[in-house]
Formats: sequence, C-alpha cells, structure tokens
Amino acid sequence: NAGVMQNPRHLVRRRGQEARLRCSPMKGHSHVYWYRQLPEEGLKFMVYLQKENIIDESGMPKERFSAEFPKEGPSILRIQQVVRGDSAAYFCASSPPGGTTYEQYFGPGTRLTVT
Amino acid sequence: SQKIEQNSEALNIQEGKTATLTCNYTNYSPAYLQWYRQDPGRGPVFLLLIRENEKEKRKERLKVTFDTTLKQSLFHITASQPADSATYLCALDMAGGGNKLTFGTGTQLKVEL
Repeated sequence: NAGVMQNPRHLVRRRGQEARLRCSPMKGHSHVYWYRQLPEEGLKFMVYLQKENIIDESGMPKERFSAEFPKEGPSILRIQQVVRGDSAAYFCASSPPGGTTYEQYFGPGTRLTVT
Repeated sequence: SQKIEQNSEALNIQEGKTATLTCNYTNYSPAYLQWYRQDPGRGPVFLLLIRENEKEKRKERLKVTFDTTLKQSLFHITASQPADSATYLCALDMAGGGNKLTFGTGTQLKVEL
C-alpha cells in the first residue's frame, strides 16, 4: 500500500514564477492537509481539504497561495509569483474518512527553493 | 493562540538509557495530543496519540503521559538505541477531529553508543 506521494521532491523557481506542488494521498484517504516547515521552525498548518472542498484554510497566506483537491487526481498547492520567503519544505498529509483514529500520514515533502 | 514548547536544545543520551522529552502547552487543553518522529529530509511519522482523558499510553518501548493540570506531556523511550536518533515532534489537535494539528518545533534526540 503506497504511502502519501508528493512531487516534485525538489523544486527551484525564480522570483515571480509559479510553483505547483502535488500530493497523492494514501489509498482510501479522503482528507488532505498541507503544512509548511521553514528552517528552524515547526510545521505550520496551511489548509485542510476534502474531495472538491476546502474545509479549513485558516493557515493559508491571503494572497498568492491556493489549494485544491479535485474529484479526480492529486491535491495541488499553488504558489503564484513566488518570493524568497516562500522557500521552505511543504508537506502533505492524509487521513481516512470518519473513524476514531486521527493520526495523519505524511509524505516526504517538496523542498521549494526560490532564487 | 495555543503555544507549544518543546526543549529546543538537543538531547544526547547513552544507548540503553531512557530518553524523556517534554511538551508544554499554554491555554486550553487539547482533545488529543500526538507525538511524531521526523528524520532529516523526511516527513513526520506518527508514533502515539493520547486523549485528554488518558493519563498514559504505551507502545513497545515508547510511553506517553498527559497531565492536563500541568499542561504537559512527557514522551519516554526506554532502552534507547542509536536508531532512535531523530527529531521528535509534539502536536496538538485543538478541535478534537484530527483536522488541524499545531506542532511544536521538536526536540532532537541523539543516542550515542
């Protein structure tokens, strides 16, 4: 059973370009979360999505950032007009629907470098 | 807002000893508290979850305690091994639905031979 998959693993963008990060949750999981980890800082929640719905985006910056989880295909975190401060590791996690367990399963992350 | 404090200094212990890591939080107690392990360049891996009405949880060599009066969780690794060397993250689930985790900055553990 494949775990959470993220691609690309490393992404280099110049200032002003767009970055698209993809996340495929574990099989059977319908909840997806995105977190950002800056150097020397903890993981920060960004957004929680279910299929075709954004449930909680309280951690998303107001501008340039968007996320989606379409009915078919992976979840996408999109960063427009990237700036140096966007350089970080972005982790996706997934969890199964309902149930009584609430642990989240994380992918390996995408390391974004903005030059 | 909720603040989580983990010892930012690395913890170095000898193989075979018990490692104890601390997680303190402010404000109101979460419904759940979780511990994760993170190795360099990798995503966090879930280890244990403890609910607010549980005092202690065990899994093999791992033990977690949860004191809502002290607003503190302790994470123990007994008979530690060099393979236990990693950063350990404490995470709080404020809403009780496991939907939004607030993470501490983690404590780096190094187990030496």
